Amino acid sequence: DVVMTQSPLSLPVTLGQPASISCRSSQSLVYSDGNTYLNWFQQRPGQSPRRLIYKVSNRDSGVPDRFSGSGSGTDFTLKISRVEAEDVGVYYCMQGTHWPATFGQGTKVEIK
Amino acid sequence: EVQLVESGGGLVQPGGSLRLSCAASGFTFSNYWMGWVRQAPGKGLEWVANIKQDGSDKYYVDSVKGRFTISRDNAKNSLYLQMNSLRAEDTAVYYCTRGGTHVVDIWGQGTMVTVSS
Repeated sequence: DVVMTQSPLSLPVTLGQPASISCRSSQSLVYSDGNTYLNWFQQRPGQSPRRLIYKVSNRDSGVPDRFSGSGSGTDFTLKISRVEAEDVGVYYCMQGTHWPATFGQGTKVEIK
Repeated sequence: EVQLVESGGGLVQPGGSLRLSCAASGFTFSNYWMGWVRQAPGKGLEWVANIKQDGSDKYYVDSVKGRFTISRDNAKNSLYLQMNSLRAEDTAVYYCTRGGTHVVDIWGQGTMVTVSS
């Protein structure tokens, strides 16, 4: 199975400051159709996961533009330009290129 | 509004069985791959199974192969997960998801399965 490694696992951030989460895969996530199926999900406390980013850098409808995704191959990043209180939660990267789909361990974002 | 609503979770003894259901609404169910993802208490996410639009292709994570069966009824806009020979390590919240692993977007609210004597 493809191993997804996130860092850091805990991220205390000051309100209004930027935050960055790294996600590395044990294999290339480029699929045979040329797409890279790397998603980012946010899970707020007590809620279901919500997709923020799909195919590396495409923001879902309704997701604030302070969230952005980048990367290629095996190295990916989620950035929050200015953290707000509502951003508290756990963030997961997920690869959907290889079966089974696998998730990173999660990064817990909290306010300092 | 696009919505997935799971049901059928509960407490079951080791070796027992449970059938989860997921009712879909707000979109054309028969057009989408569907899946189940689980999350053990306080832990991360694990993909469990996928099923193609017409039910002809199904995929399972190794840990549930031979014990779990994913199915769907497009006429009823419903997804199912039959879970047999349950083990303590199957204890988790089970989420219904829209889309196969390439395009998973919508998640249900989850249903809790507890395997314990």
